[in-house]
Amino acid sequence: DQQVKQNSPSLSVQEGRISILNCDYTNSMFDYFLWYKKYPAEGPTFLISISSIKDKNEDGRFTVFLNKSAKHLSLHIVPSQPGDSAVYFCAADTSGTYKYIFGTGTRLKVLA
Amino acid sequence: DSGVTQTPKHLITATGQRVTLRCSPRSGDLSVYWYQQSLDQGLQFLIQYYNGEERAKGNILERFSAQQFPDLHSELNLSSLELGDSALYFCASSTGTLHEQFFGPGTRLTVL
Repeated sequence: DQQVKQNSPSLSVQEGRISILNCDYTNSMFDYFLWYKKYPAEGPTFLISISSIKDKNEDGRFTVFLNKSAKHLSLHIVPSQPGDSAVYFCAADTSGTYKYIFGTGTRLKVLA
Repeated sequence: DSGVTQTPKHLITATGQRVTLRCSPRSGDLSVYWYQQSLDQGLQFLIQYYNGEERAKGNILERFSAQQFPDLHSELNLSSLELGDSALYFCASSTGTLHEQFFGPGTRLTVL
């Protein structure tokens, strides 16, 4: 039972354009969502997060949008840079359970 | 550098054997998480410790066990190894009160 799904295994975007990575979840008890970025041969690095009481959180070039009714979140990267090429994982948690459920990741390639 | 260290970096062993993976959290972090990432899969949450005590358990096999020591480092023990246990094993640490986790570089386990 995949509670957190990233349906696009890969995405290619031109440098300077917007990258949109999507994530869907099924568990309505999730109340906190995170995005991590992973380069080859390294561990994931925290990027940005959002609580379910918000519908948007912004940090520099990165914005996460949460649509609770659709059980959908997305990560927008504007403008995309070649250094953003990595695998992006979304993760979800229900506060108090400490069990973070990760998606399978989307490989983003930003073309120069 | 996340500040989380994992040893060894690579481990090659045979089926039926037992191995121990070690993790040292970031200075000041009380919580340690263990994850398994098999080929082309997301990170599967295994277990979490907070200040020496088990706090949450995920899809951890009975052949696997973990502990967190008084100095807060953690060990993941994998026994009666099978071919399917070949994976990347990540350790992450956090303060225990914030959601964001800091990941180590991982241990790549190969079972032959």
